[in-house]
Amino acid sequence: DIQMTQSPSFLSASVGDRVTINCKASQNINKYLNWYQQKLGEAPKRLIYNTNNLQTGIPSRFSGSGSGTDYTLTISSLQPEDFATYFCLQHNSFPFTFGSGTKLEIK
Amino acid sequence: QVTLKESGPGILQPSQTLSLTCTFSGFSLSTYGMGVGWIRQPSGKGLEWLANIWWDDDKYYNPSLKNRLTISKDTSNNQAFLKITNVDTADTATYYCARLVGVSVMDAWGQGASVTVSS
Repeated sequence: DIQMTQSPSFLSASVGDRVTINCKASQNINKYLNWYQQKLGEAPKRLIYNTNNLQTGIPSRFSGSGSGTDYTLTISSLQPEDFATYFCLQHNSFPFTFGSGTKLEIK
Repeated sequence: QVTLKESGPGILQPSQTLSLTCTFSGFSLSTYGMGVGWIRQPSGKGLEWLANIWWDDDKYYNPSLKNRLTISKDTSNNQAFLKITNVDTADTATYYCARLVGVSVMDAWGQGASVTVSS
């Protein structure tokens, strides 16, 4: 199985800050990496698919990058509604695996 | 508009079989490239992928659940199903279904169905 190591687990930031969240795969996942946002009691929402493709309707302050084993989600200027938990998902090979999550909190 | 909704028993006892239904609209599982996946999330914990089924009835399972999973579909009624046999308390979780579109996977999710395994 491909292990996804996500960091940091917790992130405290302020409105307007630029933040980055990382996922490192245990082997090359060929850019088959999605990012999701999840708020308490809600289903995950896809933000980015296949490394750097912005989901329709998602603000452009969200972006993704990476290749090989290392991937990054960047939020360029945090908004109040961005405080949530973020997960990565690799779908290069079965079994699909998720990162352990990053909880983004207001400083 | 794509929507998915999960339904299940809510609560069941250890050793029973969990049966979940995903009822969806806005796409068809008879369309080339379409699929439905199942994912679960124990309360306060991370996400675990369980299984996928595709338009051509191709199926993939998470080997960590060994032979306990069965995924199926009813194309004419826009439903997908997941069965988990011999449940125990570790299967307590919210279960989600999500749409798969070729290599653009899990773009839309249902609201989740809470399942508790308790004696």
